Amino acid sequence: GDSVTQTEGQVALSEEDFLTIHCNYSASGYPTLFWYVQYPGEGPQLLFRASRDKEKGSSRGFEATYDKGTTSFHLRKASVQESDSAVYYCALGPGANTGKLTFGHGTILRVHP
Amino acid sequence: EAAVTQSPRNKVTVTGGNVTLSCRQTNSHNYMYWYRQDTGHGLRLIHYSYGAGNLQIGDVPDGYKATRTTQEDFFLLLELASPSQTSLYFCASSDVWGVAEQFFGPGTRLTVL
Repeated sequence: GDSVTQTEGQVALSEEDFLTIHCNYSASGYPTLFWYVQYPGEGPQLLFRASRDKEKGSSRGFEATYDKGTTSFHLRKASVQESDSAVYYCALGPGANTGKLTFGHGTILRVHP
Repeated sequence: EAAVTQSPRNKVTVTGGNVTLSCRQTNSHNYMYWYRQDTGHGLRLIHYSYGAGNLQIGDVPDGYKATRTTQEDFFLLLELASPSQTSLYFCASSDVWGVAEQFFGPGTRLTVL
C-alpha cells in the first residue's frame, strides 16, 4: 500500500537557520504530494501541493520539489522564524477510487529566537 | 467563518462510557473524514464518507462507528470508550477527489479515564 516516511520526528533550530524536512513516499503511478502545517491548537492546513514530476510547490517561504526518481518531496526554507514553529505533515493521495490521503507521522519544528 | 466545525472541543468520559463527536462542514464537499492524532503516529484515518448515508472504513476503525446523516454532518461514535481511545480527533472535508485539499476542523480532545 501507499506510505509516506518523514525522517525527522523533531527539529530544533534557531531563527534564520536553514530548514530541511525529508519526505519519501511509496506509491504507484503519479500521486499528488502535499505538505500540511499544524499550528498549536489548530487543525492541519494545506501549505502547498504538487502533482507532476519536477513540479515545485511553495508558500510562505517554504518550498518542495516533486522528484519521482528519488520518490521524494523534501520541505525546505532558507530562513526560519519563531512563528514557523508547528507540526509539518507530508502526505500523498488520493487513493484509488477514494478521497483518502496517506499522511506521514509528522515533524515537530521548534524555532528558538 | 470556519467551514469545518467540531463539537465538543473537549470531552472527558470514563471507561465504558458512550461518546458522540460531531462535525459539520459548510464547504458543500462530498467527502468527510475522521482522524485521530497521537504522538508518534501522526494522523490516522478512522472512517470516511462519500455522502449522506455512505460510510467507508478507514485504517484504524476498531472501537469506532460513524454515521453521515446529511452532506454537512458526520458523527463519530464510541459506544464503549476505552483509555486507548484518549486522543485528539479531527474531522475534515474535501471536494470530490482527494487531489483537492482536505479542510480540517479545530479538533476535539477526548480523555477516557
